[in-house]
Amino acid sequence: ETGVTQSPTHLIKTRGQQVTLRCSSQSGHNTVSWYQQALGQGPQFIFQYYREEENGRGNFPPRFSGLQFPNYSSELNVNALELDDSALYLCASSSPTGSTGELFFGEGSRLTVL
Amino acid sequence: AQSVTQLGSHVSVSEGALVLLRCNYSSSVPPYLFWYVQYPNQGLQLLLKYTSAATLVKGINGFEAEFKKSETSFHLTKPSAHMSDAAEYFCAALLSGGSNYKLTFGKGTLLTVNP
Repeated sequence: ETGVTQSPTHLIKTRGQQVTLRCSSQSGHNTVSWYQQALGQGPQFIFQYYREEENGRGNFPPRFSGLQFPNYSSELNVNALELDDSALYLCASSSPTGSTGELFFGEGSRLTVL
Repeated sequence: AQSVTQLGSHVSVSEGALVLLRCNYSSSVPPYLFWYVQYPNQGLQLLLKYTSAATLVKGINGFEAEFKKSETSFHLTKPSAHMSDAAEYFCAALLSGGSNYKLTFGKGTLLTVNP
């Protein structure tokens, strides 16, 4: 059984650019969530995808968007990057059949915006 | 709105001493509660979870936590700290009953273990 994998692990962008982060969910999990963890802070919920549809969104602007594919992998896209977007982006997968809300996290993609 | 407060952004203990990391939640309905650990440059690993069964929950690596509804608390403890416990710890809450697994996290507590 493979865990949650994310790519890339690190990347550097400049203000105004666009970025795509990728996530493969744990085997058997059909729900993927994305979190932003700024330095020294707890993770903040961005959005969740279930069966290829957005199923909840946190307090993030529309330039944060996502996709989920039929194999349950997911992408997070951020347009018009700002300096404050520098953070660790965490992907987590879960299975609704568990019904206890346990999330399995990847190791994250660390984005630096210059 | 649901929130999670972790008291103390940094806790320092000696090896072998008791570890106590505090977490309080605010919610009109008792949520599911979790403790996650994050080692440097890594993702989050689940330590333990409370899902309305036993109020004393045992997790991995000798950690346990007790849910106290009257105090809206879910403090994490370990009787004897080990050097390998040094990491950042996050308390998180999830309102039960939904299919939207949105966790609300505290700001984290950095645990330092001194030799």
